[in-house]
Amino acid sequence: QQPVQSPQAVILREGEDAVINCSSSKALYSVHWYRQKHGEAPVFLMILLKGGEQKGHEKISASFNEKKQQSSLYLTASQLSYSGTYFCGTEPLRAGGTSYGKLTFGQGTILTVHP
Amino acid sequence: ETGVTQTPRHLVMGMTNKKSLKCEQHLGHNAMYWYKQSAKKPLELMFVYNFKEQTENNSVPSRFSPECPNSSHLFLHLHTLQPEDSALYLCASSQDDSGWDYGYTFGSGTRLTVV
Repeated sequence: QQPVQSPQAVILREGEDAVINCSSSKALYSVHWYRQKHGEAPVFLMILLKGGEQKGHEKISASFNEKKQQSSLYLTASQLSYSGTYFCGTEPLRAGGTSYGKLTFGQGTILTVHP
Repeated sequence: ETGVTQTPRHLVMGMTNKKSLKCEQHLGHNAMYWYKQSAKKPLELMFVYNFKEQTENNSVPSRFSPECPNSSHLFLHLHTLQPEDSALYLCASSQDDSGWDYGYTFGSGTRLTVV
């Protein structure tokens, strides 16, 4: 079952912050985040493997709340280059603490950054 | 180029045609995937290959037939498609089927139109 992302779309001015959420109905092994620009391939941003893990990539960071089966992507001081569609992908947790190796994506959040 | 090359970039085919999509990666990855991306729908996982063995068929109709002759190449053979099969078909690869730490690397996709 696919994760649910919110919001569906965000419009920002340069320098503003945004948060994109990803929720799953299943226990998770990992959460991936990708960005796709129009006409291009999705690009890997980061993966979160452990409950409570936080990772950062320049001004983009993410957290993973294992209990709530949720992840959030934080974009701070947004730049024009941040525009695109952001997807979370989730791997369900298998008995024994491993994954099924089956990444399921949310519907995407369209982020538009204006000058 | 992302390290995963897909050909052709665009394909128009009739419903009675047979065609194949090709995906190639020289990243040393052991897992390869086919995803379908339709307008306003999430990325849909179709097939997973891990060390050349198919480990996932996500209830894909038999008119789509994957082939993985080695860890670097993945094909998607198409025959008697329907107009609703028109979509962007994305190939991806990862170190193994957990996508651990480095995530998936996607190709730029083949835009398929069935007429």
